[in-house]
Amino acid sequence: SQTIHQWPATLVQPVGSPLSLECTVEGTSNPNLYWYRQAAGRGLQLLFYSVGIGQISSEVPQNLSASRPQDRQFILSSKKLLLSDSGFYLCAWSVQEGLETQYFGPGTRLLVL
Amino acid sequence: KQEVTQIPAALSVPEGENLVLNCSFTDSAIYNLQWFRQDPGKGLTSLLLIQSSQREQTSGRLNASLDKSSGRSTLYIAASQPGDSATYLCAVKGTYKYIFGTGTRLKVLA
Repeated sequence: SQTIHQWPATLVQPVGSPLSLECTVEGTSNPNLYWYRQAAGRGLQLLFYSVGIGQISSEVPQNLSASRPQDRQFILSSKKLLLSDSGFYLCAWSVQEGLETQYFGPGTRLLVL
Repeated sequence: KQEVTQIPAALSVPEGENLVLNCSFTDSAIYNLQWFRQDPGKGLTSLLLIQSSQREQTSGRLNASLDKSSGRSTLYIAASQPGDSATYLCAVKGTYKYIFGTGTRLKVLA
């Protein structure tokens, strides 16, 4: 069966520090991968999605970036965190072919101080 | 640009009530619509997925309907229980992307 992992579960970082959040998927190959941010009272915002290794689409301009070095690994990064980067970060995957559901990881809660 | 709205934002009901959560979207060109459940501090769990060609899906006490032409979906929860307390989100799928509503926060009182 498929599983999706995210780490760390919780992170407290000072403003201006770098960030690296990792997401890995097991039990499937060539998935579509997604990074979302959920801020308090603002719903789920799509940040990046990837349809293959090295293929990243950015949805919103910001100081975050994403990379997909392997088929089932998706990394969210920042060189310098801002206070506004605080939130709940969720990774998700879906199968490549069209109509299937999207499966979410457990999330990483990031607090930037 | 697709926009998804959920009404009400929050709902509190006594145990045993039947209830309806609403989701509306502005662009009817969707592949599917999904309803998710999110418990506090957790990821999302898929409840029901309705393909664009379908009108409804059922799972246990849950029933979701889709009216693509009017841009609406409803999630019906029968005989609500305290364990149903959570935030419920709907999402519509385009070519690759899902666009989410802001959710309905449900509390079922024992």
